[in-house]
Amino acid sequence: GAVVSQHPSWVICKSGTSVKIECRSLDFQATTMFWYRQFPKQSLMLMATSNEGSKATYEQGVEKDKFLINHASLTLSTLTVTSAHPEDSSFYICSARGSSFTEQFFGPGTRLTVL
Amino acid sequence: EDQVTQSPEALRLQEGESSSLNCSYTVSGLRGLFWYRQDPGKGPEFLFTLYSAGEEKEKERLKATLTKKESFLHITAPKPEDSATYLCAVQAGGGSYIPTFGRGTSLIVHP
Repeated sequence: GAVVSQHPSWVICKSGTSVKIECRSLDFQATTMFWYRQFPKQSLMLMATSNEGSKATYEQGVEKDKFLINHASLTLSTLTVTSAHPEDSSFYICSARGSSFTEQFFGPGTRLTVL
Repeated sequence: EDQVTQSPEALRLQEGESSSLNCSYTVSGLRGLFWYRQDPGKGPEFLFTLYSAGEEKEKERLKATLTKKESFLHITAPKPEDSATYLCAVQAGGGSYIPTFGRGTSLIVHP
């Protein structure tokens, strides 16, 4: 149980385009979802936290207008990187937590490369 | 502010050589301490949740323990497939329930 999927697993796009990443909890209802960014050989950097039906709470230094997060249902959250630039290239990972447990479960990650 | 410090940053072991990873933490009222395993290019995989001092949990060659100030992840007779980065995180009671992660310990087990 507690499976989280992400789609796509990797994406390459041109500078200036927007990219949407989906995160789904497959076998539980995710009341809270988290979005992380991870640079090579570094730890997880929390970007934002979202609760179903509410606006996301962004961490300091994360641009809300650039990284749009939507948590429209108890099983789906999306991260849209708008007007992507090469410096947005990174590994993006989502995680989800249900109301009945304290731990969060991570998706497999999405590798974004902006040319 | 919640803090998590993991040591060592990197650890190299020979197959069968048991060792321990450390996670020291400061938190206002611990709600849970979590251990994850992360393989390169993948999302972290959940291993354990510990809730109170004295608690222990085991899974195959891994055993996690918890005191009021730190947690240990003991690896008994490791195999090369145990090579990964191990992440520790704490979650405080009350407030936003956002976990704080350590920087991880990179473990390499040589055959």
